[in-house]
Amino acid sequence: QKEVEQNSGPLSVPEGAIASLNCTYSDRVSQSFFWYRQYSGKSPELIMSIYSNGDKEDGRFTAQLNKASQYVSLLIRDSQPSDSATYLCAPQPASGGSYIPTFGRGTSLIVHP
Amino acid sequence: NAGVTQTPKFQVLKTGQSMTLQCAQDMNHNSMYWYRQDPGMGLRLIYYSASEGTTDKGEVPNGYNVSRLNKREFSLRLESAAPSQTSVYFCASSEVGGNTEAFFGQGTRLTVV
Repeated sequence: QKEVEQNSGPLSVPEGAIASLNCTYSDRVSQSFFWYRQYSGKSPELIMSIYSNGDKEDGRFTAQLNKASQYVSLLIRDSQPSDSATYLCAPQPASGGSYIPTFGRGTSLIVHP
Repeated sequence: NAGVTQTPKFQVLKTGQSMTLQCAQDMNHNSMYWYRQDPGMGLRLIYYSASEGTTDKGEVPNGYNVSRLNKREFSLRLESAAPSQTSVYFCASSEVGGNTEAFFGQGTRLTVV
């Protein structure tokens, strides 16, 4: 099973700040990554995916992937209290085969007013 | 579109009792999974079914059994519940291969006393 490391946090940021969530992985086969958000008492839901090196922006969210360093991050600009949740990193193979979704332990984010 | 439906949402069992958690998906996905989530441990895979008619053990299978009843349904059975099985259980489904999102049910909060 792939090793996925995330700082469990909690990461506490003030409203309006940039929250930076990081994930490292040990499996060089992983080609892309999903970020899931999980609110307390709820199930995970996909918020971002990134398939190639560099940055991918979607609204206030930016995912950054560096395959050489085996590092992926999620930046949340203008953080809102509604962003308070646990964020799970999930590496993905490029394609094909029997793939099992594997998740990091997640980073708890708290955005305080 | 219901997505992934799990029942029940909450359950309290006495040690030694048995129960079955039900899961059904209406997205025509081939692969289905059962995870448990404990504080600080992230999502751990119990069993999975890559396709109808197949099931395999995940990271923490002891004390559980599964049945892939058909393409839609994947159930998880606890034959003799133990306090260590107190957890939140999530069923998920996805298509085969990489770059595919996992869709989760709403979770079952199980307490074994």
